[in-house]
Amino acid sequence: ETGVTQSPTHLIKTRGQQVTLRCSSQSGHNTVSWYQQALGQGPQFIFQYYREEENGRGNFPPRFSGLQFPNYSSELNVNALELDDSALYLCASSSSLGSRGYTFGSGTRLTVV
Amino acid sequence: AQRVTQPEKLLSVFKGAPVELKCNYSYSGSPELFWYVQYSRQRLQLLLRHISRESIKGFTADLNKGETSFHLKKPFAQEEDSAMYYCALIYSGGGADGLTFGKGTHLIIQP
Repeated sequence: ETGVTQSPTHLIKTRGQQVTLRCSSQSGHNTVSWYQQALGQGPQFIFQYYREEENGRGNFPPRFSGLQFPNYSSELNVNALELDDSALYLCASSSSLGSRGYTFGSGTRLTVV
Repeated sequence: AQRVTQPEKLLSVFKGAPVELKCNYSYSGSPELFWYVQYSRQRLQLLLRHISRESIKGFTADLNKGETSFHLKKPFAQEEDSAMYYCALIYSGGGADGLTFGKGTHLIIQP
């Protein structure tokens, strides 16, 4: 059984650019959530995807968007990057909507300069 | 809006001493509360949830709705307990199952 894998592990982008982060959910998991963790803070919920549809969203602007694919893998896209977008982005998968057994990935460290 | 407060950024105790990591929440409704742990160079992982009412690695946590608290306790700390601990709650009532995390407490167990 494989866990949640995220790619890339690190990347550096320039303010104003766009970035795509990827997540492969754990085998058998169909629900994916994305979190942003700024330095010294706890993770903050961005949004959740279930059966390829966005199921709910935290307090993040529309330039944060996502996709979920038929194999339940997911992407997080951020447009018009700002310096404050520098953070660790975590992906978490669960076996179904309402399941509380979240498995987290190791994260992607994004630095915006 | 829901909020989770962990008042201690850093907590240092000696091995064998009792540990209590504080967590308070504000939420209008019936929250589900969790403790997550992140050991050095490892992923965030679930330690325990209040619904299960179980003890994991000697840790317990009781939900006190009157005080809106969910403190994590262990009677005798061990060096391997050193880690970052996050308290989290989830809105259970439709919509997304997004976790709301506190800022975390860094627990250091001294030998």
